[in-house]
Amino acid sequence: KAGVTQTPRYLIKTRGQQVTLSCSPISGHRSVSWYQQTPGQGLQFLFEYFSETQRNKGNFPGRFSGRQFSNSRSEMNVSTLELGDSALYLCASSLAFAHEQFFGPGTRLTVL
Amino acid sequence: DQQVKQNSPSLSVQEGRISILNCDYTNSMFDYFLWYKKYPAEGPTFLISISSIKDKNEDGRFTVFLNKSAKHLSLHIVPSQPGDSAVYFCAARYYGGSQGNLIFGKGTKLSVKP
Repeated sequence: KAGVTQTPRYLIKTRGQQVTLSCSPISGHRSVSWYQQTPGQGLQFLFEYFSETQRNKGNFPGRFSGRQFSNSRSEMNVSTLELGDSALYLCASSLAFAHEQFFGPGTRLTVL
Repeated sequence: DQQVKQNSPSLSVQEGRISILNCDYTNSMFDYFLWYKKYPAEGPTFLISISSIKDKNEDGRFTVFLNKSAKHLSLHIVPSQPGDSAVYFCAARYYGGSQGNLIFGKGTKLSVKP
């Protein structure tokens, strides 16, 4: 069974630009969550989608948004990029009522 | 305010010995706890979990202990192997919360020396 895939793996943007990251969950998984990992803050929850609906949202500004499609694939968008948005963005998927999440390899975003 | 704390940023252990990684939490509404392992350039990998109604869960070389009164959990790896060298994250989930929202600690880097 294929794991969680994320594209692109690496991205370099400049301040003020916007970026879209993509995540394909494990087949059959309907819950997709996004996390931001930085050296200072560890992994921080961004948002969770289930059946195309945002079910939960972390404490991030409105510049961070996401969506989920009918095939459970998800995208997250960051607008008006800031230097502090440089991080590893991780996507995780899980079965509807399972406890553990399965993570993708992440997208490394660098904002210059 | 950190709700899940891993106070040791790093731990070094000799191969074959026991590794004990610790995690403290502040919120009594957490009902499920998980440990993840992360290698560089990879996403975290689920290791083992424990429900708040239990005090121990074992899976091969990995055992997680939960002390609810102390709001403390620990991961024991016995025996430790060089391949266990990675960053270990403790995570918690709110009671009644969706499984997609985990609160993570900042991780402990484990080095197992041959």
